[in-house]
Amino acid sequence: EDQVTQSPEALRLQEGESSSLNCSYTVSGLRGLFWYRQDPGKGPEFLFTLYSAGEEKEKERLKATLTKKESFLHITAPKPEDSATYLCAAGGSNYKLTFGKGTLLTVNP
Amino acid sequence: DSGVTQTPKHLITATGQRVTLRCSPRSGDLSVYWYQQSLDQGLQFLIQYYNGEERAKGNILERFSAQQFPDLHSELNLSSLELGDSALYFCASSVTPLAANEKLFFGSGTQLSVL
Repeated sequence: EDQVTQSPEALRLQEGESSSLNCSYTVSGLRGLFWYRQDPGKGPEFLFTLYSAGEEKEKERLKATLTKKESFLHITAPKPEDSATYLCAAGGSNYKLTFGKGTLLTVNP
Repeated sequence: DSGVTQTPKHLITATGQRVTLRCSPRSGDLSVYWYQQSLDQGLQFLIQYYNGEERAKGNILERFSAQQFPDLHSELNLSSLELGDSALYFCASSVTPLAANEKLFFGSGTQLSVL
């Protein structure tokens, strides 16, 4: 059975304090690794898709990387507006998408 | 704004009742997905439709059913409601049926409270 585990469950940072979120996945035949951002009371919003080990993608203060077993979301010099829950999802060869439970990020000014 | 519309935003009902959640996908998207989100379980896939046909089933209870209409909007029907059905229900859409390959666009969700 496909599994996606995110850590930590919650992370509190000071503004400007860089850190990383982890997503470990076990899927057969990875077709895509996705990162979403979810604000309270809203639906998840797409951030990145990674397709193969070694791939990296960047958007403003966020950079996502992928290995054969895990993905990292690096946050550089975060701002309070980066506070949200970050969800990781893996798509396997059965074409189903499995989500992790998310990391709740809080950035204090 | 993702372009995916869900109604109603909030729904409060009693145990044993039946409710219908509605979703209109983004213009041009043929695939609709339903997810349930609770604090302890995270986002759980319920069911997927593609161009009117059921495409994939996840952890959907027999008390729950869904359909996609010719105009591509979808409805999720929840019956014999229990306290444990209280959750956020999201609809998402994509162009192709391949959720494993393609990003999804999510609606703002329906918060269901069963009292």
